[in-house]
Amino acid sequence: GQNIDQPTEMTATEGAIVQINCTYQTSGFNGLFWYQQHAGEAPTFLSYNVLDGLEEKGRFSSFLSRSKGYSYLLLKELQMKDSASYLCAVMDSNYQLIWGAGTKLIIKP
Amino acid sequence: GAVVSQHPSWVICKSGTSVKIECRSLDFQATTMFWYRQFPKQSLMLMATSNEGSKATYEQGVEKDKFLINHASLTLSTLTVTSAHPEDSSFYICSASEDDEQYFGPGTRLTVT
Repeated sequence: GQNIDQPTEMTATEGAIVQINCTYQTSGFNGLFWYQQHAGEAPTFLSYNVLDGLEEKGRFSSFLSRSKGYSYLLLKELQMKDSASYLCAVMDSNYQLIWGAGTKLIIKP
Repeated sequence: GAVVSQHPSWVICKSGTSVKIECRSLDFQATTMFWYRQFPKQSLMLMATSNEGSKATYEQGVEKDKFLINHASLTLSTLTVTSAHPEDSSFYICSASEDDEQYFGPGTRLTVT
């Protein structure tokens, strides 16, 4: 079957760095997305990886290893507003999105 | 965990025809369902929020007469794209809400020729 795993909840301190991992097993691969979702709001796009390696966008970076079925989202210089759920989603060979359950990130002062 | 399905997964239709996409919560009752449109490799754009038994709330810029939403039961919401045009070709994703959690469907790829 198809499966996406990410931790349910993580806690980090303001100003620190946190890494949210995502492992996947899907039939085919057409890219991996990371979204941020604040409670009661629509998800906002953070990154899209289709090739191996690290992509950096300001304080956020996303890494992909297709051979390992693994990705992570790295958040630097954490701010209180980064408290949110982070969703990992993989597009399979049929261009269907397989969603992780999301990681709730709690930032403490 | 909670599962949300969409049907069909893929649909190709001709310009001017209407297409209906179904969103079902398979193992829970969803009082609220959301419809999104995903632009290639980019954001999910919220189109509308539907509550069971009442009219959907559309986001600004989304034509309610073109994108008809029906949430007839606690497990089913439908999105009908009426008089489809090629610019309506996109990836449509629904999500269903249970308590404070939101669960996403696999999406429906619509191609209008």
